[in-house]
Amino acid sequence: GESVGLHLPTLSVQEGDNSIINCAYSNSASDYFIWYKQESGKGPQFIIDIRSNMDKRQGQRVTVLLNKTVKHLSLQIAATQPGDSAVYFCAEKGWGSQGNLIFGKGTKLSVKP
Amino acid sequence: EPEVTQTPSHQVTQMGQEVILRCVPISNHLYFYWYRQILGQKVEFLVSFYNNEISEKSEIFDDQFSVERPDGSNFTLKIRSTKLEDSAMYFCASSGGQRNQPQHFGDGTRLSIL
Repeated sequence: GESVGLHLPTLSVQEGDNSIINCAYSNSASDYFIWYKQESGKGPQFIIDIRSNMDKRQGQRVTVLLNKTVKHLSLQIAATQPGDSAVYFCAEKGWGSQGNLIFGKGTKLSVKP
Repeated sequence: EPEVTQTPSHQVTQMGQEVILRCVPISNHLYFYWYRQILGQKVEFLVSFYNNEISEKSEIFDDQFSVERPDGSNFTLKIRSTKLEDSAMYFCASSGGQRNQPQHFGDGTRLSIL
């Protein structure tokens, strides 16, 4: 039978450019947010996290921005490389939750060499 | 770097049969989780486990499902009387002992129900 799945937003960038992946989260009471990278056939790989008492956090080549006013999260990848090609998910955890992560739909990042 | 390992990587089972998916979380982690991802869809939370008991579960995690930590290293998900719609990738994850720490995922078990 026909399979129905989510149509993933796709971001295509040139190698060396910066990438910005956006995510709208659902729960204003969420207090913890994570970005994951998922390559084909693999599990979600942790990239960076941020707590709700912060609005920016930087890692190696990655920056996460949190705007609680509009419930928006973004992931910035500097100097994007072909190895960054993957599906990127944001995930939120509600305040008081023991760890139930609510995942977003994902964005497929394609890096052109 | 320590990682979560899952076995088998692919499980094929007849509808109605029971299946056990196995996970070895990161050794010093205290929180354990199961998620599933139906092909082409979002990752969905099933259950979290701490201190030898379920701490939170989703609506998906009904009486058909159970989890167990049979020893100091393994964490299992049992699915009884499997249905076609149970076909999915099942991911195990673990996190450290403090609040708001990242969950680290295994590479999953692909469960195919025939």
